[in-house]
Amino acid sequence: IAGITQAPTSQILAAGRRMTLRCTQDMRHNAMYWYRQDLGLGLRLIHYSNTAGTTGKGEVPDGYSVSRANTDDFPLTLASAVPSQTSVYFCATSKGAPDTQYFGPGTRLTVL
Amino acid sequence: GQNIDQPTEMTATEGAIVQINCTYQTSGFNGLFWYQQHAGEAPTFLSYNVLDGLEEKGRFSSFLSRSKGYSYLLLKELQMKDSASYLCAGMDSNYQLIWGAGTKLIIKP
Repeated sequence: IAGITQAPTSQILAAGRRMTLRCTQDMRHNAMYWYRQDLGLGLRLIHYSNTAGTTGKGEVPDGYSVSRANTDDFPLTLASAVPSQTSVYFCATSKGAPDTQYFGPGTRLTVL
Repeated sequence: GQNIDQPTEMTATEGAIVQINCTYQTSGFNGLFWYQQHAGEAPTFLSYNVLDGLEEKGRFSSFLSRSKGYSYLLLKELQMKDSASYLCAGMDSNYQLIWGAGTKLIIKP
């Protein structure tokens, strides 16, 4: 079944630890995105990739890094987690850059 | 700056009609999206408008006025399952989505 998977579903992490959130799609979409969603705020773009091999910074990229080695995978890494990175993280994909975005189920991350 | 404004919360009655408004300011404009998000779940796509006017899709319709920087989502024949947050997002000149904080819609029997 075509879709977007994210792992883990949820995680509690000690501050200062490194963490990688995984996102995999089998929709053969070119563009992928990472958002964070916090209560009372709109979704905020962290990083994006318009095609395999390229990445770009979104609105809130500090403290996060991404890579896009192939079409299907777009991992998000927190090098040294801080409590302000406590959030729900959504991965999304679209066929091309200006197309409708489809979202994965999300990862709930708590940094203590 | 870029900004999307929508009401924080609305309440409506099952079987009724509700209109959720959204005003936007984006650097350039490549369309206006509406998504539905149930509590604890991912956003799901509802509609996309890039030209002025009304787009109807079953019980849901979406309207856009580019000159006024304004959109609305109209939900008819409300059902309890329509209780959710509705997210408005404008696409800017870089094809990035600028998101509103969402409108929580509460449906009462």
